Amino acid sequence: AQTVTQSQPEMSVQEAETVTLSCTYDTSENNYYLFWYKQPPSRQMILVIRQEAYKQQNATENRFSVNFQKAAKSFSLKISDSQLGDTAMYFCAFAKDSGGGADGLTFGKGTHLIIQP
Amino acid sequence: EPEVTQTPSHQVTQMGQEVILRCVPISNHLYFYWYRQILGQKVEFLVSFYNNEISEKSEIFDDQFSVERPDGSNFTLKIRSTKLEDSAMYFCASREGSYTEAFFGQGTRLTVV
Repeated sequence: AQTVTQSQPEMSVQEAETVTLSCTYDTSENNYYLFWYKQPPSRQMILVIRQEAYKQQNATENRFSVNFQKAAKSFSLKISDSQLGDTAMYFCAFAKDSGGGADGLTFGKGTHLIIQP
Repeated sequence: EPEVTQTPSHQVTQMGQEVILRCVPISNHLYFYWYRQILGQKVEFLVSFYNNEISEKSEIFDDQFSVERPDGSNFTLKIRSTKLEDSAMYFCASREGSYTEAFFGQGTRLTVV
């Protein structure tokens, strides 16, 4: 079984600052995917960024980037130039790659990110 | 942009009643999921569905729960004999393929009283 740990229940930064959210995971799988999802007050889950474990290059999506350290089983999310609209719960999630299977996501407990004006 | 649609957005039911939560996945997606999020807690996987059958289910998904894809477009979660602890946000998600990301619906808030 997989576990995902987010050790920061809440973080608060000023608008325009850079913030890094931590995530570690535990798995015996070699092939898997990692995701960061954002959940704003509307409660809908929105994909922020994804990383394939077989790729060494860190994924980047505009202001969002990850630091994927496979050996350390670490997957942190960096948000640059933070905006008020980034205020939300952020969930780190893991999905194993079983070669065509319909595996579900394992989520961490989330980090509540607050962007202060 | 295609999206996953869930109805109703909020359902209140009495303890012991049966509820059906409905989802319309994105039309060309092949993998379907239900997740649950008890207020203030993490999102938990319930079940995955592929090729008209359950692919994987968690320990939470016991005999009280069932899923169905009755007509090729809807994907439903039935909860029989609801309990107070079933109160949660229920999310439906779908994926186009096994290597693609999941898209989530806006959720159904279930309140059992």
